Amino acid sequence: GAGVSQSPSNKVTEKGKDVELRCDPISGHTALYWYRQRLGQGLEFLIYFQGNSAPDKSGLPSDRFSAERTGESVSTLTIQRTQQEDSAVYLCASSLNGQTFFGQGTRLTVV
Amino acid sequence: RKEVEQDPGPFNVPEGATVAFNCTYSNSASQSFFWYRQDCRKEPKLLMSVYSSGNEDGRFTAQLNRASQYISLLIRDSKLSDSATYLCVVSERGNTPLVFGKGTRLSVIA
Repeated sequence: GAGVSQSPSNKVTEKGKDVELRCDPISGHTALYWYRQRLGQGLEFLIYFQGNSAPDKSGLPSDRFSAERTGESVSTLTIQRTQQEDSAVYLCASSLNGQTFFGQGTRLTVV
Repeated sequence: RKEVEQDPGPFNVPEGATVAFNCTYSNSASQSFFWYRQDCRKEPKLLMSVYSSGNEDGRFTAQLNRASQYISLLIRDSKLSDSATYLCVVSERGNTPLVFGKGTRLSVIA
């Protein structure tokens, strides 16, 4: 596709449920990132994939958060047992040669 | 994770004004520097990269001072459409995680 695609664009879930967010990066981009942005706040790094290297998971806030990436394509971010503080926009970005592009994000609301 | 600090603003300026944003970063190993723009409820988009010698793109001028670990963005002849949040971004090298400042909000007023 032309850009980074994320789905769903909006997700409302009940506290305690698991959610899965999807990111389709730009074709050929070797690097993929997940960020979280709470309302009125800056971007918070979550996890980074670069080619076949081990992912940098240093930003994941708890063991309820995990992410996978299949080769250099689709990535999924999973949040287990969601809490109200998980409500945020989850942004995915992909990068090649230092040029980074963001998807439009998934707005997650935990009620 | 190392930090990037910005004045949150808001900066409220009239059309045609010149406005400057500053940013400091704490990781001395940082090698790549950028300014991103984020409109309300939209994703961040690259405005410009920042090079050691300073660089200009139309009304926008970016400068880097490695010794002081300081980055600036100057916007001349502000337009209403420049209203957005401006994010200062650094990384250690290409394709490593970008570290974002919290952004400086600009409102250009008619």
